[in-house]
Amino acid sequence: AQTVTQSQPEMSVQEAETVTLSCTYDTSESDYYLFWYKQPPSRQMILVIRQEAYKQQNATENRFSVNFQKAAKSFSLKISDSQLGDAAMYFCAYRGFQGAQKLVFGQGTRLTINP
Amino acid sequence: DAGVTQSPTHLIKTRGQQVTLRCSPKSGHDTVSWYQQALGQGPQFIFQYYEEEERQRGNFPDRFSGHQFPNYSSELNVNALLLGDSALYLCASSLQGHEQYFGPGTRLTVT
Repeated sequence: AQTVTQSQPEMSVQEAETVTLSCTYDTSESDYYLFWYKQPPSRQMILVIRQEAYKQQNATENRFSVNFQKAAKSFSLKISDSQLGDAAMYFCAYRGFQGAQKLVFGQGTRLTINP
Repeated sequence: DAGVTQSPTHLIKTRGQQVTLRCSPKSGHDTVSWYQQALGQGPQFIFQYYEEEERQRGNFPDRFSGHQFPNYSSELNVNALLLGDSALYLCASSLQGHEQYFGPGTRLTVT
């Protein structure tokens, strides 16, 4: 079974600075997707960024980028120029390429932005 | 375009009772997945419905059941509620094989 591990329960960063959230996963599949979701206090899970395992190029979405290391099964999220609105729980998630494609989530990292 | 909606927003039930949660998918989506998120944890997959059939099920007991209607909306039913069933229940919709979009969730408290 696939597992996702986030080893940082909490992180904090000064506004406008850069922060990196860590995620590792375990799978025997060769094709899959990885995601970072943001969950603010409003509770709604929002997709931040996704990475296809077959793509070597790291995904970027504006201030958000990932460092995908397939061999190491590592998938970190970098947030540049942190803003107060980035404060939230961040979840790393895995989804297989075939089948029902359920999402497997990590335990989450609570990110605090200090003004 | 309305996103994924869930009802009710929150509810309180007594141990042993039964509860039904509802989800309307995003327009154009045909697949609904349900997740349980305990406080301070990541969401756990309950099951997924596509074409009115349960496609895959997570590690949840038979007390958890669901249904998908012809209009793709879905219900999650939980029987014989336990205190441990208290959680945020998230519904996510997708077009089969594509991104999952989440609703705001239903907060269930079992007393």
